Amino acid sequence: SQKIEQNSEALNIQEGKTATLTCNYTNYSPAYLQWYRQDPGRGPVFLLLIRENEKEKRKERLKVTFDTTLKQSLFHITASQPADSATYLCALDMPGNTPLVFGKGTRLSVIA
Amino acid sequence: NAGVTQTPKFRVLKTGQSMTLLCAQDMNHEYMYWYRQDPGMGLRLIHYSVGEGTTAKGEVPDGYNVSRLKKQNFLLGLESAAPSQTSVYFCASSSQTGAGETQYFGPGTRLLVL
Repeated sequence: SQKIEQNSEALNIQEGKTATLTCNYTNYSPAYLQWYRQDPGRGPVFLLLIRENEKEKRKERLKVTFDTTLKQSLFHITASQPADSATYLCALDMPGNTPLVFGKGTRLSVIA
Repeated sequence: NAGVTQTPKFRVLKTGQSMTLLCAQDMNHEYMYWYRQDPGMGLRLIHYSVGEGTTAKGEVPDGYNVSRLKKQNFLLGLESAAPSQTSVYFCASSSQTGAGETQYFGPGTRLLVL
């Protein structure tokens, strides 16, 4: 079965630095890979998705890369701010009629 | 638009009691999902529905039942609650799956089973 792993349970970073979160998967490459943000006590909120044939996607201070050879996606937040502190989840969006497969998430803390 | 709403927000049950969690969406989405989220375990899919009147099992379906009698509602039932079902439950919906469509999540229901 498809497995997904976010390599860090928690990541602490200083304000202004670039945060990099990693998402690795096994077996087949997804058609898309999605990233969500979850704040404490709230449901996840969609941030970005990247297609299988895209190498990079940007949205404001966010950048996602997708390497199907390495079976890995990287999620970058540049010029990080304390307001970026949250848990970030990646999800595999496989072809066909199957639900998303979510990673366990990485809890990011941006320290002022 | 309210998006995805969940009722109740918080509930305490005694072992053996039953309850139903209600999820409603106003986006006309075909797909609806129930997840549970536990510390260190991430989001785990319990059951999902690909349309009105259809349901399917997810990763952790045991001890739960679901029904989708109306397109906008997805009910999650616990027939005989156990302490292992203490968790935060999230409902989500999407227009499709496997095609780059995102999921929209509700605010969650915190359930404590004593």
